[in-house]
Amino acid sequence: EAGVAQSPRYKIIEKRQSVAFWCNPISGHATLYWYQQILGQGPKLLIQFQNNGVVDDSQLPKDRFSAERLKGVDSTLKIQPAKLEDSAVYLCASSLDASLRGYTFGSGTRLTVV
Amino acid sequence: QQPVQSPQAVILREGEDAVINCSSSKALYSVHWYRQKHGEAPVFLMILLKGGEQKGHEKISASFNEKKQQSSLYLTASQLSYSGTYFCGTYSGAGSYQLTFGKGTKLSVIP
Repeated sequence: EAGVAQSPRYKIIEKRQSVAFWCNPISGHATLYWYQQILGQGPKLLIQFQNNGVVDDSQLPKDRFSAERLKGVDSTLKIQPAKLEDSAVYLCASSLDASLRGYTFGSGTRLTVV
Repeated sequence: QQPVQSPQAVILREGEDAVINCSSSKALYSVHWYRQKHGEAPVFLMILLKGGEQKGHEKISASFNEKKQQSSLYLTASQLSYSGTYFCGTYSGAGSYQLTFGKGTKLSVIP
């Protein structure tokens, strides 16, 4: 089966600019997660979707981050305006049944804010 | 709350064994283990469930001590391909199924 697709792979922007990341999960995976991974750290959950509904966005900095999952398939994560501390890898993961099969991660988008 | 992994880093020669630990201050329902190679996505290795048995695949196995809220990942007769950063992800059993990851253990296997 095809994996989780993410784009772009790399992005460099100046602070206060906006940026968007795209994720296409594995077909049939109802649950989709966005994680932020700062260099040298473990992934930190930003938001969880079940189909096209938000399950948990308690750790999403909503003053600057937003995410949506249209039609329960693709998802986009946006940052506006970006800050230097947003420099990180943004990982998208999907699962059919995480309690049995775990997550499948995409390769991530490496964001550098200068 | 973020689980604590130890050690932070380990260097092995091919054929040596290693143990990576993951501890939580909260009661756990399940523990996941993932391996991430540099610049790549984390890859799922295995899940340990509360009340479940020790799991393993070839030379990589893991255990889950519910009383101590701790899981250990065992790598035996290490190969060069085992190099990477190992993350444990924990789920407490409350709320939606989502993992909280530790900071990772960097494993380097050298010839």
